[in-house]
Amino acid sequence: QKEVEQNSGPLSVPEGAIASLNCTYSDRVSQSFFWYRQYSGKSPELIMSIYSNGDKEDGRFTAQLNKASQYVSLLIRDSQPSDSATYLCAVNPRVTGGGNKLTFGTGTQLKVEL
Amino acid sequence: DTAVSQTPKYLVTQMGNDKSIKCEQNLGHDTMYWYKQDSKKFLKIMFSYNNKELIINETVPNRFSPKSPDKAHLNLHINSLELGDSAVYFCASSQKPSSTDTQYFGPGTRLTVL
Repeated sequence: QKEVEQNSGPLSVPEGAIASLNCTYSDRVSQSFFWYRQYSGKSPELIMSIYSNGDKEDGRFTAQLNKASQYVSLLIRDSQPSDSATYLCAVNPRVTGGGNKLTFGTGTQLKVEL
Repeated sequence: DTAVSQTPKYLVTQMGNDKSIKCEQNLGHDTMYWYKQDSKKFLKIMFSYNNKELIINETVPNRFSPKSPDKAHLNLHINSLELGDSAVYFCASSQKPSSTDTQYFGPGTRLTVL
């Protein structure tokens, strides 16, 4: 079982719609969760971070975390063509001795169509 | 005013050669990382240094040797390059090695081994 799983997509949504991206993780004691956006040929950039159960909103983005079900999701409202990118889910699992060790999923490619 | 910078951006070399990639951050962070992103876009941590000290060392061939001369710099030296080393290598940094600290990525170095 992969540590962090995402549907690779592509996920196609029309402009203005809500895009829903999902991620599941295997380490039950994972502490922190991140969504990164990566445009083709560019580096990952942080969109959202979430640490406790529930929803966290930032502009058009909402991250949702359910630790009991071991899933984290990202909603993008009013999707724009500029949102077309690969979205990487990253989880910080339990690390013996400490450390900030992000484990990434393989990413979901989002395409927002005009 | 680049936050995390890497040189070179592209590196093309022959099998068996030795090469180095340099990374610098001007964010005043204590912790730096090396990640490898393969041809399937899977991003995986290789090493992490906190204040010049190695704290994360994943299962990486010992042909890869990181070095941190000070906490603003982290270099990666690769000996006896192999075809499978072809990938994009990202440097990242965070304030501390805390699981909740955001990691900021550099622009990446695309290594091609012929």
